Order: sequence, then C-alpha cells, then structure tokens
Amino acid sequence: SAVISQKPSRDICQRGTSLTIQCQVDSQVTMMFWYRQQPGQSLTLIATANQGSEATYESGFVIDKFPISRPNLTFSTLTVSNMSPEDSSIYLCSARTGKSGYGYTFGSGTRLTVV
Amino acid sequence: SQELEQSPQSLIVQEGKNLTINCTSSKTLYGLYWYKQKYGEGLIFLMMLQKGGEEKSHEKITAKLDEKKQQSSLHITASQPSHAGIYLCGADNTGGTSYGKLTFGQGTILTVHP
Repeated sequence: SAVISQKPSRDICQRGTSLTIQCQVDSQVTMMFWYRQQPGQSLTLIATANQGSEATYESGFVIDKFPISRPNLTFSTLTVSNMSPEDSSIYLCSARTGKSGYGYTFGSGTRLTVV
Repeated sequence: SQELEQSPQSLIVQEGKNLTINCTSSKTLYGLYWYKQKYGEGLIFLMMLQKGGEEKSHEKITAKLDEKKQQSSLHITASQPSHAGIYLCGADNTGGTSYGKLTFGQGTILTVHP
C-alpha cells in the first residue's frame, strides 16, 4: 500500500476557480511539504506544513494563493486559488518517513491543467 | 542558495548498457537523495546518502557520495527498459536543521531502447 496517498491524481480546471489537493500519510509525521513542478522543470518547494501552526511559505509563494491546512499529523491539503493557466503544474506533497530510511517520501502527484 | 547541476540532461542507451548520472552541488551536501520519476507522476525514492564516501546499491542501481561531499553519482548496470524515466537528485544543504528544504537538480531523462 502507498505510504502517501494524494488526490486527485489529475484535474482540468477553469481559470478563476480553486482546487484543493489532499495528502494522507499512513503514519504520523511532524512536517509535510508541498512542491510544485512546472512543465519541463524540476521541483520547487512551496511551503512547509506543521500540525497546529501556520504553514511556512518559501519566497515567491503566498498564503492567499496557496492556503494550506494541517489538521492532524497524517493529513494536509493545499488549495490553488483563483487559478490561471500559469498554475498548470504537477503538485506534490512529501513527508519524511521511516519507510524510506528517513528519506523524503512523495505522493503520486496531482497534474493540474488550467484552461 | 544551493544549486544542483545534473549531467547529462538526457541520455539514450541500448538495453544492457551501463550508464552514469552525475549530480554536482555548489555547496557541501549534508544529505543527498536520488529519486526516479515517471512522466507526469510522483517521485519514487531510490537512495539517500549522507556520509562522504558512502555508497549504496539497490538491485542494479548504485549511488555514491564523494568524500568532499559535493558530488554524487548514480550508476545503472545492465540497463533495462524499466529503468527509463527522469532521475532527480535532491539535496538538503541546511545541515539537517531544516528538514524538508530540499533543492532539486533539473533532472536527467533516461531512455532505454530494447
């Protein structure tokens, strides 16, 4: 079974709308991470999500555009708000888990296309 | 900020051939991670290296972190079509103080022809 379940796996959305991506980890983890992978590019960290506190955003990313929730130690959501075609990317969540030798395990990704 | 450069950017090999992918860092590597990504999908964790000179193997894939801890190589022996995909190196350059702040290389696209 998957260590991190991410959904939806893909979606096509109209510009101006919002999409919420969910990640469920099969063990408790302190921190979860959200990345964006733009077409043909490598991964860029959006934010770090700790349970019980506000997410910490990297330079170039803001809470109004990418609100994150972390209600417990196994679950997190990322919302992509007021979408534009430039938001078309693969979004991935990640956590540090013992099942990868304490490396960073990634969800299967959400492929978002904004039209 | 740390930068990771992977080489080559793409690689096409015949099945059965050996190949090497390199990942060079502009700063000391405190943790180096290798991942494989199928097109449009998530990342599959391959290996993690932390100590200078460390070498790990899994099936036909071997990864090594050099003693100076600024370069890692990924070697595939007797490549198979199932090895095809994008190989990404990721690095933690914070000395372990900021878990999760991984910086990634641009990726190496591997194609294996049967």
